[in-house]
Amino acid sequence: KQEVTQIPAALSVPEGENLVLNCSFTDSAIYNLQWFRQDPGKGLTSLLLIQSSQREQTSGRLNASLDKSSGRSTLYIAASQPGDSATYLCAVKEGETSGSRLTFGEGTQLTVNP
Amino acid sequence: DTAVSQTPKYLVTQMGNDKSIKCEQNLGHDTMYWYKQDSKKFLKIMFSYNNKELIINETVPNRFSPKSPDKAHLNLHINSLELGDSAVYFCASSQESVGGAWNEQYFGPGTRLTVT
Repeated sequence: KQEVTQIPAALSVPEGENLVLNCSFTDSAIYNLQWFRQDPGKGLTSLLLIQSSQREQTSGRLNASLDKSSGRSTLYIAASQPGDSATYLCAVKEGETSGSRLTFGEGTQLTVNP
Repeated sequence: DTAVSQTPKYLVTQMGNDKSIKCEQNLGHDTMYWYKQDSKKFLKIMFSYNNKELIINETVPNRFSPKSPDKAHLNLHINSLELGDSAVYFCASSQESVGGAWNEQYFGPGTRLTVT
């Protein structure tokens, strides 16, 4: 059974700092990995999706890497801003078919202080 | 335009009642999902429908019954509500067929259900 762990559970940084959020998964046979952002009381916003054949994806100040063999992914946020404060969730998809599940980690709650 | 929408956003009801949550997506996706987020913020899949066919049915009490009238809609009906059903329920959608943007999932804003 796939298990996804995110470390740290919470992180508080000053504005402008670069930071890394970690995600690990127990079964390396994944199809893709998706990073989401969740603001308090809101739904999930997809940030980046990495296919199992890829090593990284970039969008603006965000960069997500994937090391499938070791079961790890990182989300790098450059020059953090107070508006980046949210919970960041990592999720892995088992396979390509529509019957494949997306398994979530418990999230990292990020606070960026002005 | 909202890609995945849910109604209602908030639902407060008493134990024993029956309630429904509705979800609609305008992305043209072929697969829709229901997730439950508990008080610890942990998200877990409940159901998934592909082209109106149930394909994922996790260990969920049979008081929960999903219905997909068409590919763009997935509703969740809950009978005999219990205190433990209080949670945020999220609908999501994705395109799972070949060429479907790597099966990226898009989420609705959630429905906060409170059972008193």
